[in-house]
Amino acid sequence: LAKTTQPISMDSYEGQEVNITCSHNNIATNDYITWYQQFPSQGPRFIIQGYKTKVTNEVASLFIPADRKSSTLSLPRVSLSDTAVYYCLVVTNQAGTALIFGKGTTLSVSS
Amino acid sequence: NAGVMQNPRHLVRRRGQEARLRCSPMKGHSHVYWYRQLPEEGLKFMVYLQKENIIDESGMPKERFSAEFPKEGPSILRIQQVVRGDSAAYFCASSTEGADTQYFGPGTRLTVL
Repeated sequence: LAKTTQPISMDSYEGQEVNITCSHNNIATNDYITWYQQFPSQGPRFIIQGYKTKVTNEVASLFIPADRKSSTLSLPRVSLSDTAVYYCLVVTNQAGTALIFGKGTTLSVSS
Repeated sequence: NAGVMQNPRHLVRRRGQEARLRCSPMKGHSHVYWYRQLPEEGLKFMVYLQKENIIDESGMPKERFSAEFPKEGPSILRIQQVVRGDSAAYFCASSTEGADTQYFGPGTRLTVL
């Protein structure tokens, strides 16, 4: 599976838009980009998944350029409760795939 | 629809004892995965099971650790003769047939004294 690289940490203020970029230079044709969010003492929570272009749901947007070697998770108007670790993963779209988690990006939102 | 359930949420064991962690997947999910997370680290894959079958245990330590997912009942991760290095958060995830999105439970925090 493609290795991902993302910033270790980011800081933001309430109400701002936060963009977290992830690099995955060796992504394969069958791979999807998936983001999880993890709060302290909780399990990871699925946020969004995409293959190319743009995906949007009620929580976030995911932008994927044509070459798919990177992706950007966009969180609109963050609040204090968005403080968490965000993991970018590259996965194949089939059951049974072991997810490979890096250290993620620790997002700290301040008032 | 209840999410993935794990119990106990916290488990304290003394060195040499056995730890049993339980996971009930989401309704309709037939695939179960176990992960371990050490402090300040990302999750590490341990094992992938379907009902009555271990499909991939490449991340499982060769000794003391075992997992099962019986026809009836929850999946069990069993750690025999625990050592302090086993202290970690253990997460279970489940998915449906033919889909890779895994949904995680709240985890079991194991502390070995």
